[in-house]
This record gives sequence, structure tokens and C-alpha cells, in this order.
Amino acid sequence: AQRVTQPEKLLSVFKGAPVELKCNYSYSGSPELFWYVQYSRQRLQLLLRHISRESIKGFTADLNKGETSFHLKKPFAQEEDSAMYYCALKSGSGNTGKLIFGQGTTLQVKP
Amino acid sequence: DTAVSQTPKYLVTQMGNDKSIKCEQNLGHDTMYWYKQDSKKFLKIMFSYNNKELIINETVPNRFSPKSPDKAHLNLHINSLELGDSAVYFCASSQGGEGTQYFGPGTRLTVL
Repeated sequence: AQRVTQPEKLLSVFKGAPVELKCNYSYSGSPELFWYVQYSRQRLQLLLRHISRESIKGFTADLNKGETSFHLKKPFAQEEDSAMYYCALKSGSGNTGKLIFGQGTTLQVKP
Repeated sequence: DTAVSQTPKYLVTQMGNDKSIKCEQNLGHDTMYWYKQDSKKFLKIMFSYNNKELIINETVPNRFSPKSPDKAHLNLHINSLELGDSAVYFCASSQGGEGTQYFGPGTRLTVL
């Protein structure tokens, strides 16, 4: 079954502390994974995708096929990072592609 | 502004009523989606359309009927609203079935 699991509903850290939001997936093919973020009262937006291997707003995520994980990391959290973070897996190909989202993790960065 | 827009932003209605939510994108994408975000913030796909053709229907009750008059618009009509339909509904668009999707601001539907 295709599934994305984010085990933490809430992650609370202090400003300047490292952050790791966990994401595990279950997918039989070659996975394509994403992190989306929803800031308070804003729309959901793409943060990063694994094929780009980029760092956005100081966040990085590495696909680990052995552990079927795609954890999101940032070395020093900022208060403006407080938001809901969704890990997503693209399922299907071509026009039948769709995103399967994890349950979401709320990141709370305290001053 | 290039974006995905939805109307209305808030919708409060009684059980049994019929309501519609409209979505428009001016990004030139050929694929549009409806997602439902429930009270626990769980986000799940409902439908996708590509060039006005229904591609994905994720076992949504047939009280929900999407309509795509053209590839820039995807509307959602809901008949006989139930309490369990209360949620935030997000429209999104992408090129093909790409995982990089652009979301609308959401419509918060409250059924009383």
C-alpha cells in the first residue's frame, strides 16, 4: 500500500535549536517525495522536493531508500519556521499522478 | 497575480442544502485537483481533472460532483450536505500530474 507517515503531530523546539521532522513512506516503485508547508492563514505551498536536492529557507531533506525515509532538517530553527509541514509522495505517472500526504506535523518554534 | 483562487473563502450552511465552490487558475496548467482537509488537518485528494477530463475520483460520495468547464476552472458542487462534510476544501493545479502543485487559499465549509 502507498502510504506516508509522519509520526509526530507536534514538534516544539526553541529558536536556534536543530529541527528534524520525520517522514516515512511505503511505495513499491521509485518514489518522488515532497515537503509542503502551510504557514498560519496561508495556503499550502511547496517547500522542497527530493529530485531537486536543494536547500530552501535553510531546510534540507534527503531521500533514504534503505530506511524509506525523507526527513526534513534544519540546523537552527527560526520563529518564522512555525507552521504545519506535510510530507507527500507522488503516486501514479503522467496525468494520473496524485499526491498522497502524511498526517502533517506542526512545528512550533519558541523564542 | 498568477495564482490559484477559490470562492467563497467561508461557507456556512444547513444540513441538506446544496452548495458550490469555484476554483480558477491562471498558471496555464492542464491539471486541477480538489483536496479535503478534515478537522485533524489530514489532507486527502478527492478528484483530479486533466484538460476538462476526470482522471481521479477517490471514492468520494456521489453527492460531490466536480465540473470543469475549461482547463482553467474546476468547480465542486455538493448536494444534500451532511455534518461530516465540514472541512476545508483546497483546489490545486499542476502541469500534468506533477507533484509540484499550486494550491488555492482554501474554502472553509461549515455544515450546521
